[in-house]
Amino acid sequence: AQRVTQPEKLLSVFKGAPVELKCNYSYSGSPELFWYVQYSRQRLQLLLRHISRESIKGFTADLNKGETSFHLKKPFAQEEDSAMYYCARNAGKSTFGDGTTLTVKP
Amino acid sequence: NAGVTQTPKFQVLKTGQSMTLQCAQDMNHEYMSWYRQDPGMGLRLIHYSVGAGITDQGEVPNGYNVSRSTTEDFPLRLLSAAPSQTSVYFCASSYSGFGRGSYNEQFFGPGTRLTVL
Repeated sequence: AQRVTQPEKLLSVFKGAPVELKCNYSYSGSPELFWYVQYSRQRLQLLLRHISRESIKGFTADLNKGETSFHLKKPFAQEEDSAMYYCARNAGKSTFGDGTTLTVKP
Repeated sequence: NAGVTQTPKFQVLKTGQSMTLQCAQDMNHEYMSWYRQDPGMGLRLIHYSVGAGITDQGEVPNGYNVSRSTTEDFPLRLLSAAPSQTSVYFCASSYSGFGRGSYNEQFFGPGTRLTVL
């Protein structure tokens, strides 16, 4: 079975500090990987997809096939980044990680 | 566009009762999915559909039925509710989501919080 692992359930950093949310996936050739975010009282929404290689809200994520990882990074965290973050593989019939709750403290 | 809508927002059931969670989208998406979100367990796929008239099981289908008579609607039926089905249910849709290389994002509804006593 395809798996997505987010090892940290909770992550807390101070404003302005770098943040990295980890995501590892089980090997299966060419995965389609996504990061979704759920802000308080809002619906789940796409943050990044690996094929786009873009930076959204200062976040980037690089696919490392050797380490089967797709970690989400931001050099300077902001308080508004506090949210639940999910790593997912495949579009549509997706497998989601358990999520990481990020808290950015002032 | 309303996007993906779900009703009701909240529901309390007694064990053994049945009910239908409604999901609709107005984006003409072919693909629709139902997930449940449990604390510490992320989202797990219940059922999905690749188009009207076509449905299939996901990771946790037991106790749930779906049908897809139109492109817009994808209701989820609980046949005989059990406390283990207490969860938050999300419906999602996308243009294409099941082929290799699709990379299309899923659009999620606001969720239905279900409690089974």
